[in-house]
Amino acid sequence: DAKTTQPPSMDCAEGRAANLPCNHSTISGNEYVYWYRQIHSQGPQYIIHGLKNNETNEMASLIITEDRKSSTLILPHATLRDTAVYYCIVKGGTASKLTFGTGTRLQVTL
Amino acid sequence: KAGVTQTPRYLIKTRGQQVTLSCSPISGHRSVSWYQQTPGQGLQFLFEYFSETQRNKGNFPGRFSGRQFSNSRSEMNVSTLELGDSALYLCASSMGTGSPYEQYFGPGTRLTVT
Repeated sequence: DAKTTQPPSMDCAEGRAANLPCNHSTISGNEYVYWYRQIHSQGPQYIIHGLKNNETNEMASLIITEDRKSSTLILPHATLRDTAVYYCIVKGGTASKLTFGTGTRLQVTL
Repeated sequence: KAGVTQTPRYLIKTRGQQVTLSCSPISGHRSVSWYQQTPGQGLQFLFEYFSETQRNKGNFPGRFSGRQFSNSRSEMNVSTLELGDSALYLCASSMGTGSPYEQYFGPGTRLTVT
């Protein structure tokens, strides 16, 4: 699975959009981009995933660049409850193993 | 639909003992994966079970084992506990194995070894 690079931390004001970047320059054609988040001491929460098209669900939007070497997770109206560590994971193949990096710690403030 | 459940939520054991943790996946999910989370090592993959067969195993000693039952419920066992086994143990389920299936995590079992 391709390696990902994320900024260690970001801040966002409540009510504003949070844009979390992820670089995955060695991604291969059959690998998906997954986003999870973990709020302190809870199990990781699945957010969204995509292959090459942009995706949107009730939680977030995922924008993948045309060359697929990077992506951005967008939380359109961040709230205090969105404060968490966000993990970008690139995965393909038939195994379910997720390789978690250090993620981005998003702090949403008033 | 109910989420992934894990029991017990908290556990205190003594070095040398063994422990069994349980995971009930989301209804209809056939794949169950286990992860260990510690402050020093982060989230690390232990193993995955699909249709009662271990599909994949992480880099953990043989003291860590698991199994899956015909109803997809899974258990993991740690024998001869060491202090370093203190961690949050997480279970995740998915409908199938591999991509593009997403995994849903349970709340975890926090194990403390004294």
